[in-house]
Amino acid sequence: DTEVTQTPKHLVMGMTNKKSLKCEQHMGHRAMYWYKQKAKKPPELMFVYSYEKLSINESVPSRFSPECPNSSLLNLHLHALQPEDSALYLCASSQANDRLYEQYFGPGTRLTVT
Amino acid sequence: TQLLEQSPQFLSIQEGENLTVYCNSSSVFSSLQWYRQEPGEGPVLLVTVVTGGEVKKLKRLTFQFGDARKDSSLHITAAQPGDTGLYLCAFFPGAHYQLIWGAGTKLIIKP
Repeated sequence: DTEVTQTPKHLVMGMTNKKSLKCEQHMGHRAMYWYKQKAKKPPELMFVYSYEKLSINESVPSRFSPECPNSSLLNLHLHALQPEDSALYLCASSQANDRLYEQYFGPGTRLTVT
Repeated sequence: TQLLEQSPQFLSIQEGENLTVYCNSSSVFSSLQWYRQEPGEGPVLLVTVVTGGEVKKLKRLTFQFGDARKDSSLHITAAQPGDTGLYLCAFFPGAHYQLIWGAGTKLIIKP
């Protein structure tokens, strides 16, 4: 099983809403990632969890709050977003001690903030 | 800072033609990854090249790692509409779990 799943596929939310994005993998990977991707651009790293601990926060605004409940699940809690936060949000996972760090991506959540 | 330059940025060709896209840097890589991303989907890892001069084939796709490990190319033979997508190269610099990404080549194959 090399699949990373993400829900929901699409999300439209107002600037006062609170919502969560969910990600799950069952490949035994101990590193999980959140990326933001704008159209025609490469993914931008937001957060990295390694062994369920937050190891990287790439200066992401506090309106994005990640959570890693266990080694298979990763959440991204959203609150008071801005229209410029509209993007494709990608989850990925990899082996944590692999020198190649090959990443496996989910299909993404297309987020629109109105 | 190690940067990856991809070229061309955009390529639109007819079905059946051959094409090559490039990923270059002034720095040496320990390895390099190629991903393909279709519209509205996440990137899918195609291949990782590790050894200088290495050639890997994936059906009609041929990946090459330069002898000096500073550049890589992806050659597609007899392109098909299903090859359409954004092709991204990336490398792992060895710290902080981060991948460094090229800007991508957007490829359109017209039937």
